[in-house]
Amino acid sequence: NAGVTQTPKFRVLKTGQSMTLLCAQDMNHEYMYWYRQDPGMGLRLIHYSVGEGTTAKGEVPDGYNVSRLKKQNFLLGLESAAPSQTSVYFCASSSLTTSRTLKLYGYTFGSGTRLTVV
Amino acid sequence: AQKITQTQPGMFVQEKEAVTLDCTYDTSDQSYGLFWYKQPSSGEMIFLIYQGSYDEQNATEGRYSLNFQKARKSANLVISASQLGDSAMYFCAMREPGSYNTDKLIFGTGTRLQVFP
Repeated sequence: NAGVTQTPKFRVLKTGQSMTLLCAQDMNHEYMYWYRQDPGMGLRLIHYSVGEGTTAKGEVPDGYNVSRLKKQNFLLGLESAAPSQTSVYFCASSSLTTSRTLKLYGYTFGSGTRLTVV
Repeated sequence: AQKITQTQPGMFVQEKEAVTLDCTYDTSDQSYGLFWYKQPSSGEMIFLIYQGSYDEQNATEGRYSLNFQKARKSANLVISASQLGDSAMYFCAMREPGSYNTDKLIFGTGTRLQVFP
């Protein structure tokens, strides 16, 4: 019953370094998302994917890239980290939802990655 | 643009009392969905309850109920018989109207609830 797994859980980067956050889901969901959470701002969508091999920009995509080479994995990359990217990152997934499944499960979120860029 | 507004940055409630967390939304679409999530201090996002815009009955799930007033565009979360474990951040979210081929969610800024003995 793993659901959505994010790795790593914590990371400290120096300005200019690169890294990749991995999101893996075992629910055969079509849709996957990356959000960032900053104090006082709720969650904001960075990028999303509606299927293997497809990605699209969300509300705050600058400075990030994503890839979805396999249906179960959604990678978020930071090519040159900046202090403004210090945040908590959440991955989420959902299927082609019906009202019934939404009532039961909502969207499934990972446990988050706390990233600090110094 | 679609928007979710949570006007209460923080709320306090005594154990065993009921509390209402406010959420208003702005959309011109007729078909949409509203969610509430709980985020405890451990950080994970826990799904609580969902209400579809065409659902005739207000959603309920255990001690959680959603007071859905479509004309007012509000979807307030009511927690009955509060428990100490209810202390957390609560987020209201809306399935972005027109996004049924992408299923994007937009979130409010959250309300921090503290339950005291």
